[in-house]
Amino acid sequence: EAGVVQSPRYKIIEKKQPVAFWCNPISGHNTLYWYLQNLGQGPELLIRYENEEAVDDSQLPKDRFSAERLKGVDSTLKIQPAELGDSAVYLCASSLEADTEAFFGQGTRLTVV
Amino acid sequence: GQQVMQIPQYQHVQEGEDFTTYCNSSTTLSNIQWYKQRPGGHPVFLIQLVKSGEVKKQKRLTFQFGEAKKNSSLHITATQTTDVGTYFCADMIKAAGNKLTFGGGTRVLVKP
Repeated sequence: EAGVVQSPRYKIIEKKQPVAFWCNPISGHNTLYWYLQNLGQGPELLIRYENEEAVDDSQLPKDRFSAERLKGVDSTLKIQPAELGDSAVYLCASSLEADTEAFFGQGTRLTVV
Repeated sequence: GQQVMQIPQYQHVQEGEDFTTYCNSSTTLSNIQWYKQRPGGHPVFLIQLVKSGEVKKQKRLTFQFGEAKKNSSLHITATQTTDVGTYFCADMIKAAGNKLTFGGGTRVLVKP
């Protein structure tokens, strides 16, 4: 069975440009997470979905970040416009239910120059 | 707000030795999960602890949940080079809607 798939693996963009990340969770997993991970730190939750509903987006910088999971399956995370401080690894994870183990994708390493 | 603190931040271990890393919370946890992230990799689930005082073992790894459910520990015996990586605990509080919050991690370096 395929794990959580993220694309692209790497992205380099100039500041003020838009960027989008895509995540396909494990089939049947209702819960989907987007995390941001800076070098040497733990993952920080950006948004959590239960099916197509965003149940926790309190830490998502809504002035520039947006996310969607329209059909309750795959998800996209967008940044517009990107800033230098957005350089980080963006991790997507999914779990069968909210209180079960989370499976992480390989992440997208974003570099804003 | 809820914070999960992990100590130490770095652990340098001689191959073959034992060590323990700790995870402390300011509030009572519903459950705690442990993950391992190899250098350049992504977090991989290791274990989940739910009950007060629970102890679980995976080969050379022993995980414990505190009696008050405010702390947890991971003990590794006979450290091997394959144990290199960052170990994260993640707390989940049902009252907060099952929000999974990660600690800062303990980065383990093994000296051969």
